[in-house]
Amino acid sequence: NAGVTQTPKFQVLKTGQSMTLQCAQDMNHEYMSWYRQDPGMGLRLIHYSVGAGITDQGEVPNGYNVSRSTTEDFPLRLLSAAPSQTSVYFCASSYNGLPGELFFGEGSRLTVL
Amino acid sequence: AQSVTQPDIHITVSEGASLELRCNYSYGATPYLFWYVQSPGQGLQLLLKYFSGDTLVQGIKGFEAEFKRSQSSFNLRKPSVHWSDAAEYFCAVRDDKIIFGKGTRLHILP
Repeated sequence: NAGVTQTPKFQVLKTGQSMTLQCAQDMNHEYMSWYRQDPGMGLRLIHYSVGAGITDQGEVPNGYNVSRSTTEDFPLRLLSAAPSQTSVYFCASSYNGLPGELFFGEGSRLTVL
Repeated sequence: AQSVTQPDIHITVSEGASLELRCNYSYGATPYLFWYVQSPGQGLQLLLKYFSGDTLVQGIKGFEAEFKRSQSSFNLRKPSVHWSDAAEYFCAVRDDKIIFGKGTRLHILP
């Protein structure tokens, strides 16, 4: 049972480059989300989706795009990377119904030079 | 909009001592509340959850939490900590999305 799979686990970018963090889940979860984790800031919600074709902004959406064309996949796109986007990124999914706890991927460490 | 506050950034306790980590939330209706733990270099693991019923909920690893609506709190407790409990602990609240607090890092003295 794969659960939530994130790729890549590590990535180094130069300022201005673009990239996509991939996230896939095999639990048929309606809800999927992306968080970034920075020291002292906890996990901050970037974008989330309550189902295929539906996305919404979280707490820190600027500089990131998402799409949800299938139930399984929820990629996060950085269109023009900035050093402020250096962080650890977590994808997480859950059922929409109660109680709705999150299942997390292993994280992706991104460094923007 | 919902929000979560964890007032303590760091807490240090001696091994074998009791533990209480504080969590306050802001949410209009009955909240769905969670505690997660993250060991160094690891992902997040669910400790326990509350969405209705008994206000004292039991979780894994000997942890429990009590929901107090009058205080808007969901504090995490453990009667006797072990060195392996050293980690970062996150409280979270769910509405249409799930929002986390900034975390409390727990240090254990031998």
